[in-house]
Amino acid sequence: AQSVSQHNHHVILSEAASLELGCNYSYGGTVNLFWYVQYPGQHLQLLLKYFSGDPLVKGIKGFEAEFIKSKFSFNLRKPSVQWSDTAEYFCAVIVYNTDKLIFGTGTRLQVFP
Amino acid sequence: SQTIHQWPATLVQPVGSPLSLECTVEGTSNPNLYWYRQAAGRGLQLLFYSVGIGQISSEVPQNLSASRPQDRQFILSSKKLLLSDSGFYLCAWSATRAGDTQYFGPGTRLTVL
Repeated sequence: AQSVSQHNHHVILSEAASLELGCNYSYGGTVNLFWYVQYPGQHLQLLLKYFSGDPLVKGIKGFEAEFIKSKFSFNLRKPSVQWSDTAEYFCAVIVYNTDKLIFGTGTRLQVFP
Repeated sequence: SQTIHQWPATLVQPVGSPLSLECTVEGTSNPNLYWYRQAAGRGLQLLFYSVGIGQISSEVPQNLSASRPQDRQFILSSKKLLLSDSGFYLCAWSATRAGDTQYFGPGTRLTVL
């Protein structure tokens, strides 16, 4: 069965530090890839997505992610985090042409001023 | 624009009582609809999804059931709640094209005592 791994369960950073959250998936075929974010007390919302084309995708609030097919990875990055980035981040994969979105277990990010 | 509503936002129920959670979507027609459960320290787990009225696919055998009585209404039910049914329940919708982005509602926090 397909699965998604997020190796960083809890990340603590100071403002202005750089961020990289890892995401790996297990499926050899075509996939659509997503990062969702859940700010405290808010809806789960889409941060960015990759369907095809340029493997470096940019999302909201200065986030970006790079799809590396050979590594089955879709890591999330931000060069300089802010206190307002404190949230839980979920990587998710959907096998192409299906409706089943598979989530990782999430990474809790805490940013201190 | 499309919006998704869930109610109630919070629910505390005794073991053995029935459950009905409702999800409605506005601003789109014939969406795919999904129910997820998010347990503490775990990712989101797909429970049910529906591609049309009366069409329900179950992903995890359990104490819950789902129904879609109208195009943009999705209901999660149980006849008798268990302690293990406690969690955060999220409804989501996507366009009918398979593999498309899923958009999430605000969720219902269910506590079974």
